[in-house]
Amino acid sequence: EDQVTQSPEALRLQEGESSSLNCSYTVSGLRGLFWYRQDPGKGPEFLFTLYSAGEEKEKERLKATLTKKESFLHITAPKPEDSATYLCAVQDTGRRALTFGSGTRLQVQP
Amino acid sequence: EAGVTQSPTHLIKTRGQQATLRCSPISGHTSVYWYQQALGLGLQFLLWYDEGEERNRGNFPPRFSGRQFPNYSSELNVNALELEDSALYLCASRLTIANTGELFFGEGSRLTVL
Repeated sequence: EDQVTQSPEALRLQEGESSSLNCSYTVSGLRGLFWYRQDPGKGPEFLFTLYSAGEEKEKERLKATLTKKESFLHITAPKPEDSATYLCAVQDTGRRALTFGSGTRLQVQP
Repeated sequence: EAGVTQSPTHLIKTRGQQATLRCSPISGHTSVYWYQQALGLGLQFLLWYDEGEERNRGNFPPRFSGRQFPNYSSELNVNALELEDSALYLCASRLTIANTGELFFGEGSRLTVL
């Protein structure tokens, strides 16, 4: 059974204080790893897809990386508007649905 | 281009009643996925519809059911509501031919069971 574990559960940063969020996964065969951002009471917003170890994707202050067992979402010089829950999900080669982790709640204080 | 739309935004029901939630996918997307997100929990996979048929379901009882219409919109039905069914129900769509890649989510329907 696919498993996705995210850490930490919650993270509080000062504006400009860079950090990383972790996503550890167990799948029989990785078809893709996905990062989403979710604001309170809203649906998840797609950020990145990573397909193979060593791959990296960037978008503004966010950078996602992938190894064979985990993915990191690096946040450089965050701003208060980056405050949200960040979700990691995997797609197994044998499944079509995504399996999600419980998320990391990020709060960036001015 | 319109994203995934869901209705109603909020729904309040009592135990034992039935709830019906609706979803319209992004134009051109033929696969629809339903997820449940209970308070403080992650997204749990409910159902996947593709080309009008149910292709897969998660670990939920049969009282959770649905269908997909010829225009690819979808409906989720929850019968015999229980208190623990209170959650945000999220619909997502994806291009079928890819069968991989990102899901695009709607804003969700908040179901409250009293």
